[in-house]
Amino acid sequence: QVQLVQSGAEVKKPGASVKVSCKASGYTFTIYYIYWVRQAPGQGLEWMGIINPSGGSTNYAQKFQGRVAMTRDTSTSTVYMELSSLRSEDTAVYYCARVSGGIDYWGQGTLVTVSS
Amino acid sequence: EIVLTQSPGTLSLSPGERATLSCRASQSVTSSFLAWYQQKPGQAPRLLIYGASSRATGIPDRFSGSGSGTDFTLTISRLEPEDFAVYYCQQYGSSPITFGQGTRLEIK
Repeated sequence: QVQLVQSGAEVKKPGASVKVSCKASGYTFTIYYIYWVRQAPGQGLEWMGIINPSGGSTNYAQKFQGRVAMTRDTSTSTVYMELSSLRSEDTAVYYCARVSGGIDYWGQGTLVTVSS
Repeated sequence: EIVLTQSPGTLSLSPGERATLSCRASQSVTSSFLAWYQQKPGQAPRLLIYGASSRATGIPDRFSGSGSGTDFTLTISRLEPEDFAVYYCQQYGSSPITFGQGTRLEIK
C-alpha cells in the first residue's frame, strides 16, 4: 500500500532552519511528483512547492523563494523539504503529498514549532 | 495566481440533509483541474473529487462534483454523521497551486 511517512515534530528558534523528510513506499518513487503543503494552526492549506523525484527539478511558491529547498534521494525513496530563516509565522504542520489528479496520498504531517 | 473563494464559510445542516458547497475561481481553471478534499481534526486531508467531477477511489457516491471555468460545486446528497468536517477546493491546472479557504460543515 502507498505510504508517505514523515519525520517527527521539531522545535526551532527564530532564524534557524528545519529539514523535514518524507519516505515513500508502495509505489514507484520516480513516477509521481511530490508537493509540500503546510497548515498553520487553525488555518487553511498553503502550497509551498513541487519536486519531480525523477530528475529532481523543483518549482517553489514565490512566497518561499530563497528560503525553501526541496531535494530527493532516489536510493531511499525519500524527499526532503528544508526551510531556513524560520520565524514564528512558520509554525505549522508540514505535509508531503503525492500528486495524481490532485493529491491522492498525504503524509501524516510534521509539526514545526518556531519559538524563542 | 488563481484565487479560490469558497462559500459559505460555515454550513449548518442535519444528518440526512443535502449539502451544497461552492468554490469560485478568480480566473478560469485550466482543463477543470479542480479537486475537493475533506479534512477532520488532527488528520491530513482526504481526496474526494478530482478533475472537477471524478470521485476518488473509495469515495461514496453521495459525494459529487460539478462545474467548469470559474464555478464549481461539491454536493453531498444525504449527510452522514461522519461527513461533518472542513472541505477545501484546490486548483492544480496552473502554478502556483492554490486552495480555497475552506468551508466548515457543522451539525445543526
